[in-house]
Amino acid sequence: EAGVTQSPTHLIKTRGQQATLRCSPISGHTSVYWYQQALGLGLQFLLWYDEGEERNRGNFPPRFSGRQFPNYSSELNVNALELEDSALYLCASRREGGYGYTFGSGTRLTVV
Amino acid sequence: QKEVEQNSGPLSVPEGAIASLNCTYSDRGSQSFFWYRQYSGKSPELIMFIYSNGDKEDGRFTAQLNKASQYVSLLIRDSQPSDSATYLCAGTEGFQKLVFGTGTRLLVSP
Repeated sequence: EAGVTQSPTHLIKTRGQQATLRCSPISGHTSVYWYQQALGLGLQFLLWYDEGEERNRGNFPPRFSGRQFPNYSSELNVNALELEDSALYLCASRREGGYGYTFGSGTRLTVV
Repeated sequence: QKEVEQNSGPLSVPEGAIASLNCTYSDRGSQSFFWYRQYSGKSPELIMFIYSNGDKEDGRFTAQLNKASQYVSLLIRDSQPSDSATYLCAGTEGFQKLVFGTGTRLLVSP
């Protein structure tokens, strides 16, 4: 069974640009979660998608947005990038009724 | 603000010893708790979850939950250098979303 896949692995952007991060969940998993892990900090909840709908979002500004596609894959968009957005962005998926998440390997976003 | 608190460490133990990692949580509505291991530069991987008061054992790992005290712990017996990592505690919020602590760094010395 393929795990959660994220792309790209690394992304370097200039301040003010937009970044798009992609995630494919494990087959059969319908929920996708996005977390930000800045250096030295814990995992901060960004967004939760289930069945194509945004179910919850964390305390992040509106320039962080995303969507979930009919095949349950998801993308995270970050507009007007700021230096503080530099972090590891982790996507996780969960099957309906399942316990815990399975994480992807993450996208390391660097804003210069 | 629902929070999960962990001591950042590092917690240093010699090889073969028992490592005890602790976590407290503020949300009495949290139903299930999870322990993830994260090696440096890697993504978190699920080690154990627990949702009933008491102990749950899986190999060298034992998770303990005390809902009255809002306390979760993870014991690692016969610690190995390969156990050196950051251990993240997480609790559910509304059954679906996980709230993570900042993690405890464990160092196991040979």
